[in-house]
Amino acid sequence: GAGVSQSPSNKVTEKGKDVELRCDPISGHTALYWYRQRLGQGLEFLIYFQGNSAPDKSGLPSDRFSAERTGESVSTLTIQRTQQEDSAVYLCASSFSQGAFEQYFGPGTRLTVT
Amino acid sequence: GNSVTQMEGPVTLSEEAFLTINCTYTATGYPSLFWYVQYPGEGLQLLLKATKADDKGSNKGFEATYRKETTSFHLEKGSVQVSDSAVYFCALSRYSGGGADGLTFGKGTHLIIQP
Repeated sequence: GAGVSQSPSNKVTEKGKDVELRCDPISGHTALYWYRQRLGQGLEFLIYFQGNSAPDKSGLPSDRFSAERTGESVSTLTIQRTQQEDSAVYLCASSFSQGAFEQYFGPGTRLTVT
Repeated sequence: GNSVTQMEGPVTLSEEAFLTINCTYTATGYPSLFWYVQYPGEGLQLLLKATKADDKGSNKGFEATYRKETTSFHLEKGSVQVSDSAVYFCALSRYSGGGADGLTFGKGTHLIIQP
């Protein structure tokens, strides 16, 4: 596709369940980013990938959060044992790695933990 | 660590009014600065950027100047339109050379333009 896609667009889960969120970056973009936006807050950086390695995981809020990426393609963000404070919109973005400033954002996945 | 502070919204203006949305930042080194915009029902997109001190970013009639002495990157537009109604985010990257980096964002300012 032409842009970054994310699935599902909405996810409602019960507290304690695991969830997987998927991101398909723009073809050719070697860098991929995950952000979280809680209600009334700005975007919080979670993790970024360069290819399939993650040089910066500094934003992951706890060890319940993990992410992986297959080559320079799809990425999955997994949240284990979800808590109500995990409710947020999870945004994925991609970009070129060198000499480029713009990150291209997907539409996000709205996660609601009940 | 790095941080971005921008004025709280919503900001409500009449069409053709002058717009300023304030943004200040805290960062070490030489960050790059950005304004991203999210129109209703759309994804976040880059509006403009500035990569070094005194640079002016501009796009769609919007401007912002990178002021290192005041650590600011205020967004301005001389005459707003209803179509400018959106949420505006100020953000920074640690790098001035365009390398991949997780951005630090402000909380966003919701702008409402009334006809």
